Amino acid sequence: SQTIHQWPATLVQPVGSPLSLECTVEGTSNPNLYWYRQAAGRGLQLLFYSVGIGQISSEVPQNLSASRPQDRQFILSSKKLLLSDSGFYLCAWGTTTNEKLFFGSGTQLSVL
Amino acid sequence: GENVEQHPSTLSVQEGDSAVIKCTYSDSASNYFPWYKQELGKRPQLIIDIRSNVGEKKDQRIAVTLNKTAKHFSLHITETQPEDSAVYFCAASTGNEKLTFGTGTRLTIIP
Repeated sequence: SQTIHQWPATLVQPVGSPLSLECTVEGTSNPNLYWYRQAAGRGLQLLFYSVGIGQISSEVPQNLSASRPQDRQFILSSKKLLLSDSGFYLCAWGTTTNEKLFFGSGTQLSVL
Repeated sequence: GENVEQHPSTLSVQEGDSAVIKCTYSDSASNYFPWYKQELGKRPQLIIDIRSNVGEKKDQRIAVTLNKTAKHFSLHITETQPEDSAVYFCAASTGNEKLTFGTGTRLTIIP
């Protein structure tokens, strides 16, 4: 069966520090991968998605970036965090033939 | 692009009563409509979905209805229980590998 791993679960970072969140999927090949952000009490905002290695689509211009160095690995990065980057970050995977999304357990990021 | 609106933002119902959450979408090409449930601090989980060739789908106490002409779909939960308390998100997709989510409904079941 397919599983998705996301870490860390919580992260507290100072303003201006770098960020790296990692997500990996097991049990499937060539998944579509997604990064969502959820501000406190708010909806799910799509940040990036990828349909293959090295293919990244950005939905929202910001100081975040994403990379997909391997088929089942998706990384969210920032060189310098802003206060507004605080939120709950969710990785998700899906397939081209089935729009169902399966989410990772999330990372609660607090930028202070 | 697609725009999904969800109402109400908060909903409180007595245990045992029914709850209804409504969503509208803007892109007539959307053909897939899932609903996700998110408990506090947890990941969203798919609870039910419907495709545009179906008007209604049921799974035990949960049902979803779709009106393509009016471009709206609804989630119905009957005989609500305390464990139904959560935030519910609707979403829509045109099959282009992206889901557009509604803003969520915080459902509280009052014992």
